[in-house]
Amino acid sequence: RKEVEQDPGPFNVPEGATVAFNCTYSNSASQSFFWYRQDCRKEPKLLMSVYSSGNEDGRFTAQLNRASQYISLLIRDSKLSDSATYLCVASSASKIIFGSGTRLSIRP
Amino acid sequence: DAGVTQSPTHLIKTRGQQVTLRCSPKSGHDTVSWYQQALGQGPQFIFQYYEEEERQRGNFPDRFSGHQFPNYSSELNVNALLLGDSALYLCASSGLLADTQYFGPGTRLTVL
Repeated sequence: RKEVEQDPGPFNVPEGATVAFNCTYSNSASQSFFWYRQDCRKEPKLLMSVYSSGNEDGRFTAQLNRASQYISLLIRDSKLSDSATYLCVASSASKIIFGSGTRLSIRP
Repeated sequence: DAGVTQSPTHLIKTRGQQVTLRCSPKSGHDTVSWYQQALGQGPQFIFQYYEEEERQRGNFPDRFSGHQFPNYSSELNVNALLLGDSALYLCASSGLLADTQYFGPGTRLTVL
């Protein structure tokens, strides 16, 4: 079993739709969590950190559920430019683990 | 303010050879992490350097080694290259008190 698991997708949704991704992690010692986006053949770019209280950045909302050990990302009013691979990250004192990513494709 | 830079951009090597990849962190950052990303996979953590020492290490063999210099730049060395080492090698930098990492554009290594 992978330490950080994501549905690989692809998610193919129309512009303007709301889409949600989940990510589960197995290391209960994980302390910090992030979502990154990665465009094809580019480096990952930080989208947002994830806090227990939940946090929002414009159309993006991230949630952390420590009891169930999952992280979620919600994208509202999706844009064509949101098409990318979304990577979740769980970090502990000893290691930093990326999920394999969820591919999102927004269609006009 | 320069971001994370890596060199070279692309590299082609043959099996058994050795390779050195280089990374300069974002200004103000003192911690450098290296990742290997195979096609269709997420980045796999190789190791992290702080104060010129390896602080954390992922599940990679000893063929993968690194170094950090006093100016915080870093090198990743891979010995006895295998075909399976072909991947995008990413460097990320962060400040000690910040978990947030910023990635460089990567070095694409092809082993023939």
